[in-house]
Amino acid sequence: DVKVTQSSRYLVKRTGEKVFLECVQDMDHENMFWYRQDPGLGLRLIYFSYDVKMKEKGDIPEGYSVSREKKERFSLILESASTNQTSMYLCASSLGDRTKNIQYFGAGTRLSVL
Amino acid sequence: SQQGEEDPQALSIQEGENATMNCSYKTSINNLQWYRQNSGRGLVHLILIRSNEREKHSGRLRVTLDTSKKSSSLLITASRAADTASYFCATLPIGGADGLTFGKGTHLIIQP
Repeated sequence: DVKVTQSSRYLVKRTGEKVFLECVQDMDHENMFWYRQDPGLGLRLIYFSYDVKMKEKGDIPEGYSVSREKKERFSLILESASTNQTSMYLCASSLGDRTKNIQYFGAGTRLSVL
Repeated sequence: SQQGEEDPQALSIQEGENATMNCSYKTSINNLQWYRQNSGRGLVHLILIRSNEREKHSGRLRVTLDTSKKSSSLLITASRAADTASYFCATLPIGGADGLTFGKGTHLIIQP
């Protein structure tokens, strides 16, 4: 079974802090994604990556950056956390087949910024 | 950008009944997928239907796709309490450069 592991289930940070959310997948997937999920808004894509050291902006990249130094790891960085970044963050991975793109999700990180 | 829109937003039925959820989308797609999310957890892939397919089954799940109406439906037969979850449709646009686009979900509650 594919396993996507997010480093923290719950995280509490203060405004202005630099925050790292880590995601690791164990199935050698080429694609990795970061979403945020908010009530009434569904999932919104922040950033994605199709290969090591490669990144593409999603729908809401402002205030975020990402890093993919190794194929299995995709990090989401909040350079200076703000209260409007309080949300559930979901990481996903998929094989490189762009005709299918079945995504496997981690359990999520619920981030609170105070 | 958000493309899929599920309908209804919430659905409450009795255990044993069938549950039907609908999804509409806007652009031409390569495939459409349904995912389930239990409260506070990640999403789990349920079923994929390609744009050249009209119906697909998996266990108690039945998915239909009407590309002329740009809509899909997910039917869960003989519902169980464990089916209580949020259900999302996701579309892979032709080209698929940006990956899947998810709807806002239908929250399904199965009353015992």
